[in-house]
Amino acid sequence: DGGITQSPKYLFRKEGQNVTLSCEQNLNHDAMYWYRQDPGQGLRLIYYSQIVNDFQKGDIAEGYSVSREKKESFPLTVTSAQKNPTAFYLCASRGGITEAFFGQGTRLTVV
Amino acid sequence: DQQVKQNSPSLSVQEGRISILNCDYTNSMFDYFLWYKKYPAEGPTFLISISSIKDKNEDGRFTVFLNKSAKHLSLHIVPSQPGDSAVYFCAASPYTGTASKLTFGTGTRLQVTL
Repeated sequence: DGGITQSPKYLFRKEGQNVTLSCEQNLNHDAMYWYRQDPGQGLRLIYYSQIVNDFQKGDIAEGYSVSREKKESFPLTVTSAQKNPTAFYLCASRGGITEAFFGQGTRLTVV
Repeated sequence: DQQVKQNSPSLSVQEGRISILNCDYTNSMFDYFLWYKKYPAEGPTFLISISSIKDKNEDGRFTVFLNKSAKHLSLHIVPSQPGDSAVYFCAASPYTGTASKLTFGTGTRLQVTL
């Protein structure tokens, strides 16, 4: 059945390491988004992509990178430049001016 | 610059009564608005949306009202049920004809008590 899948559910990163969070959708949606949620805070936009091979920075893009080589996939890399990466990361996709569908999230912890 | 604001971090309502969650926005380019419900450690789920050509949209127990001149929208839940206890986010985007940036508020935690 159609949906959006994030993996892994939990991820641990050592200081100075890059890690990549996976996001895959089979909804045939053009747009995909990455958000970050910190405890007690809202969803802050990291990056978004409206079409393959194109993406835009959101409000908190520093220390993150993305790629959009396929319509179905929008991986997020948390680089060592991100000073406070511990958070809950959410990926979403959207097929136009409609609702966005979210994955179940990845909790990233720096150890 | 918080373009979508939910000024009440929490709200407590008795079961069976009305819950009213509020949201304000500052960007006049926003003309499509959505409400989401979120449980801890899960992705948000869509509840209801409204475009700027309407001032009200209803779906079962959920009604969203939009006041464009005040740049304000609200979500009414009637009657409130214990299962409605969650964090509610409003979101907004421009209506550009294609998928575009979707901006969320900070959320309101709703607790429905027995």
